[in-house]
Amino acid sequence: GAVVSQHPSWVICKSGTSVKIECRSLDFQATTMFWYRQFPKQSLMLMATSNEGSKATYEQGVEKDKFLINHASLTLSTLTVTSAHPEDSSFYICSAPPIGQYNEQFFGPGTRLTVL
Amino acid sequence: LAKTTQPISMDSYEGQEVNITCSHNNIATNDYITWYQQFPSQGPRFIIQGYKTKVTNEVASLFIPADRKSSTLSLPRVSLSDTAVYYCLVADTGKLIFGQGTTLQVKP
Repeated sequence: GAVVSQHPSWVICKSGTSVKIECRSLDFQATTMFWYRQFPKQSLMLMATSNEGSKATYEQGVEKDKFLINHASLTLSTLTVTSAHPEDSSFYICSAPPIGQYNEQFFGPGTRLTVL
Repeated sequence: LAKTTQPISMDSYEGQEVNITCSHNNIATNDYITWYQQFPSQGPRFIIQGYKTKVTNEVASLFIPADRKSSTLSLPRVSLSDTAVYYCLVADTGKLIFGQGTTLQVKP
């Protein structure tokens, strides 16, 4: 199956700093990518839809100025957590459907963010 | 809100067949039904997808009745490594809304 990678796999940062997480589709192109957040023992919560060449679409309750999304190419989307605080500590997961195959979704391995 | 309802947890023993049923009463005509498996601290992994009737692959079978208001994931002869959370999702586009999933515990 298609492969989606994320970098870094884990990151620890101090409160107030910004952290960038990359999501790459390795062997396919995607005009749309999705970002999820997952707290311990909870389900995945969709945060936003990343659209190549245009603005991201955020789910209700997700601060767009705090979670900056950039989808600069057909294989890369980035999520930047700005001025991170301990409550932003979570598992961040991206996913991408190949172009023209929107009912197929491939997930990245996730990024564990810990804010001290 | 998630469009699906599943049991929160299930227990099984090694070698048994496990069936997990998912309700999706408001499934739309264009929606596909997809099941994912997730281990702790990993991204979800695709298991199987279907639109109607029965689908089988090397790891599971998916049974979908004619009204498509429910579906059943069947895992044959589970092993300890099948202990995970299983999510049922319905969608016609890439935007997936996850429900709480079913935590399957396989015991020796």
